[in-house]
Amino acid sequence: AQKITQTQPGMFVQEKEAVTLDCTYDTSDPSYGLFWYKQPSSGEMIFLIYQGSYDQQNATEGRYSLNFQKARKSANLVISASQLGDSAMYFCAMREDNTNAGKSTFGDGTTLTVKP
Amino acid sequence: EAGVTQSPTHLIKTRGQQATLRCSPISGHTSVYWYQQALGLGLQFLLWYDEGEERNRGNFPPRFSGRQFPNYSSELNVNALELEDSALYLCASSLASSSSGSSYEQYFGPGTRLTVT
Repeated sequence: AQKITQTQPGMFVQEKEAVTLDCTYDTSDPSYGLFWYKQPSSGEMIFLIYQGSYDQQNATEGRYSLNFQKARKSANLVISASQLGDSAMYFCAMREDNTNAGKSTFGDGTTLTVKP
Repeated sequence: EAGVTQSPTHLIKTRGQQATLRCSPISGHTSVYWYQQALGLGLQFLLWYDEGEERNRGNFPPRFSGRQFPNYSSELNVNALELEDSALYLCASSLASSSSGSSYEQYFGPGTRLTVT
């Protein structure tokens, strides 16, 4: 069964520093996608970054990068040069291509607070 | 280009009543997904519709149901409301999900906050 684990309920980071948000996953499907979303206090879910299970390189999108370690089944999000506006809840999610098509499984989230 | 829209923004119902939530996907998107997010928790997958058909559903009782219309908009119905149904209901849309469609990211709407008293 697909499962996402985010072990950090809350994280603090100083403005302009980098921070890593942890995510581990479990699946038996060889083809899957991993996603990170940001949810500010207003509630909307904002897509940040995607990594496919067959992608050879780690995904990057601006200040966001995904540290994908397939053998360890981890997909950590790295935010560089943190900004005050990065304070939000962050969710890691996975979609399997074959065994549970269309269903995204989300972790419980990590609340990130950026300090000035 | 308009994003995913949901209505209403807030909905207050009493136990036993029925709630209807609506979602309009991004133009060109044929897949619609529904999620429930209880306060302070992660998202739980509810339903996936594609081309008018229910393709998958999460571990929710049958009183959670929905449909997708020919214009790809969707409706979520919750019958016999219970207090624990109080949550933020998020709708997302994507391009058609195929067996290799994990790369199609889901774009979320602002949600409908349902309160059951």
